[in-house]
Amino acid sequence: RKEVEQDPGPFNVPEGATVAFNCTYSNSASQSFFWYRQDCRKEPKLLMSVYSSGNEDGRFTAQLNRASQYISLLIRDSKLSDSATYLCVVPNAGKSTFGDGTTLTVKP
Amino acid sequence: ETGVTQSPTHLIKTRGQQVTLRCSSQSGHNTVSWYQQALGQGPQFIFQYYREEENGRGNFPPRFSGLQFPNYSSELNVNALELDDSALYLCASSLTGTGSHGYTFGSGTRLTVV
Repeated sequence: RKEVEQDPGPFNVPEGATVAFNCTYSNSASQSFFWYRQDCRKEPKLLMSVYSSGNEDGRFTAQLNRASQYISLLIRDSKLSDSATYLCVVPNAGKSTFGDGTTLTVKP
Repeated sequence: ETGVTQSPTHLIKTRGQQVTLRCSSQSGHNTVSWYQQALGQGPQFIFQYYREEENGRGNFPPRFSGLQFPNYSSELNVNALELDDSALYLCASSLTGTGSHGYTFGSGTRLTVV
C-alpha cells in the first residue's frame, strides 16, 4: 500500500459545480498536511495547509480526519482556472510524501 | 524576496553520462529537498539537505548524490544515467527540515536521457 493515496480521477465538472477529493495516508504520526496545485508541466504550488481539523480559504476547504487517516479538499463554485492536478502531501521527519495527484478539469 | 531558481530548465543526455542540476533556495530558507517527478506521477523524494548535511534520503540508488553550499544553494548529481532517469527534477526549499511549513518549489529541470 502506498503511504499517500489519491483517486487519480480525472474529475470532469461544469463551471459552478462543487467537487471534493480525498487523500488517505498511512503514517499516523504526521501532524501537518498540505494540498498543492500543479498545472501542466509546471511546478507544484502550495494551495492549503491543514494542521488541525480543517482550514477554509475562500472557495476552498480542507478537512482532516485523524481517526480515519484521510484529508479532503472541497472546491465550491468551480472556475475554469481551477483545472489542474491537486497533490496531497504528508510531511514526516524530514521527508514529504506526495500522492500521485487528482486531475480536475472544469468545463464551460 | 527571491524564489527558488533551478538551472538548466531542459537537458538532454545520453545513457551512461553524468549530469549536475543546480538550485538556489528562497531567501531565508536553509533546507533544500530534491524530488523526481515522472510523467503522470507525484514527486518522489530523493534527499534533503540542511546546513550542508544530508538530512534524509528516499529510495534512490547511490548514483544520485548531492551537495549544499554555505549560501544554502544545492546541486543534484546523477551518475551513469539510465533511460528511466528521464523526468522533471524539482528542487524545493523550506524554512524547516520537517516540511511542516510547506515547500517552495523551483520550476524544475526537465531531463531527457536518450
